[in-house]
Amino acid sequence: QSALTQPASVSGSPGQSITISCTGTSSDVGGYNYVSWYQQHPGKAPKLMIYEVSNRPSGVSNRFSGSKSGNTASLTISGLQAEDEADYYCSSYTSSSSFYVFGTGTKVTVL
Amino acid sequence: EVQLVESGGGLVQPGGSLRLSCAASGFTFSSYVMHWVRQAPGKGLEYVSAISSNGYTTYYANSVKGRFTISRDNSKNTLDLQMGSLRAEDMAVYYCARDQREMATTLRPYYFDYWGQGTLVTVSS
Repeated sequence: QSALTQPASVSGSPGQSITISCTGTSSDVGGYNYVSWYQQHPGKAPKLMIYEVSNRPSGVSNRFSGSKSGNTASLTISGLQAEDEADYYCSSYTSSSSFYVFGTGTKVTVL
Repeated sequence: EVQLVESGGGLVQPGGSLRLSCAASGFTFSSYVMHWVRQAPGKGLEYVSAISSNGYTTYYANSVKGRFTISRDNSKNTLDLQMGSLRAEDMAVYYCARDQREMATTLRPYYFDYWGQGTLVTVSS
């Protein structure tokens, strides 16, 4: 199955903002507003951070925001904190034979 | 509180079998499509399998089709994954995950709102 493309790593200093991109195709990211983002700390399960491109589940900090333009979705973390250091995965509904697609994952480092 | 607790992982030889279970609580299990997602050591997330809320319809990724069987027991609120003919590339942490749609009529997910803590499957001789 084809994966969505994310940068391998993104880093920032505490208090800064960072943005993680997630590039797909018109069969997934570009075609539907069902992009989601998951945060995963080492040894832990993924946690839903953003759903349907820009919605936050209850309890997720408003420092996390999502957007989409064409075939590329983005996750922005503002006011970066040490606890944000984790792996982040995007995912999307897809109409392709892949059934469901995840991104390649991005390691966020807080300097 | 929604809880998903996997069990059954362990060490198995290549070609062997293993059965994973996921115990669900805190929600009406029989109303939700359920999924399995895996993550090889140091790698990303890979979608594995899905089962409809009534257990009648299933989906498997090509990588596991014909070797894995997903099932559920709505009377016991459990989800299972029977894995056979295991290969080195099946070694991963296996997560059960809840589809966010209640009473979904299709298997293809939009996203997962709850995940279990995962269970590690090691395939090695």
